[in-house]
Amino acid sequence: AQRVTQPEKLLSVFKGAPVELKCNYSYSGSPELFWYVQYSRQRLQLLLRHISRESIKGFTADLNKGETSFHLKKPFAQEEDSAMYYCALSPSRGATNKLIFGTGTLLAVQP
Amino acid sequence: KAGVTQTPRYLIKTRGQQVTLSCSPISGHRSVSWYQQTPGQGLQFLFEYFSETQRNKGNFPGRFSGRQFSNSRSEMNVSTLELGDSALYLCASSGRMRTAPDTQYFGPGTRLTVL
Repeated sequence: AQRVTQPEKLLSVFKGAPVELKCNYSYSGSPELFWYVQYSRQRLQLLLRHISRESIKGFTADLNKGETSFHLKKPFAQEEDSAMYYCALSPSRGATNKLIFGTGTLLAVQP
Repeated sequence: KAGVTQTPRYLIKTRGQQVTLSCSPISGHRSVSWYQQTPGQGLQFLFEYFSETQRNKGNFPGRFSGRQFSNSRSEMNVSTLELGDSALYLCASSGRMRTAPDTQYFGPGTRLTVL
């Protein structure tokens, strides 16, 4: 079965602390992995995708196929990082933009 | 350029009624996907349309249907509404090309309340 698991509903850290949002997936092939973010009163938007290997707003995510994980990391959290973060998987087989989302992790960065 | 727009933004219906939601994608985008977001189930994929053809479908009952027009605008319809259909319905557009997956751009959503 295709599934994305985000074990933490809420992650609270202090400003300047490192952040790691966990994401594990279950998929029999080689999926495309994404992190989407939703800031307060804003739309859901792409933060990064594994295929581009970019660092966006200081966030990085490495796809670990052995552990089937795609954890999101940032060395020093900022208050403006407070948001809802969703890990998502798109099946690589077939032409589709279908996304399977995890349940999301609310990141709260305390001053 | 203008983002994805959804109308209406809020909707209140009663059980048994039907509802139609509309989505206008970003200009030039040919793929439109729909998602249902609820506190209990999170974000769930409903279906995707590309160039007026349904390309993929999620695990929802046949009461949920959609279509896409030649200008890429899309509508989804829910018939015989149930209380459990109360949710935020998100539309996302992507892809000028047929290849996927591509970055999806989400609309603000339509909040449907079924009484």
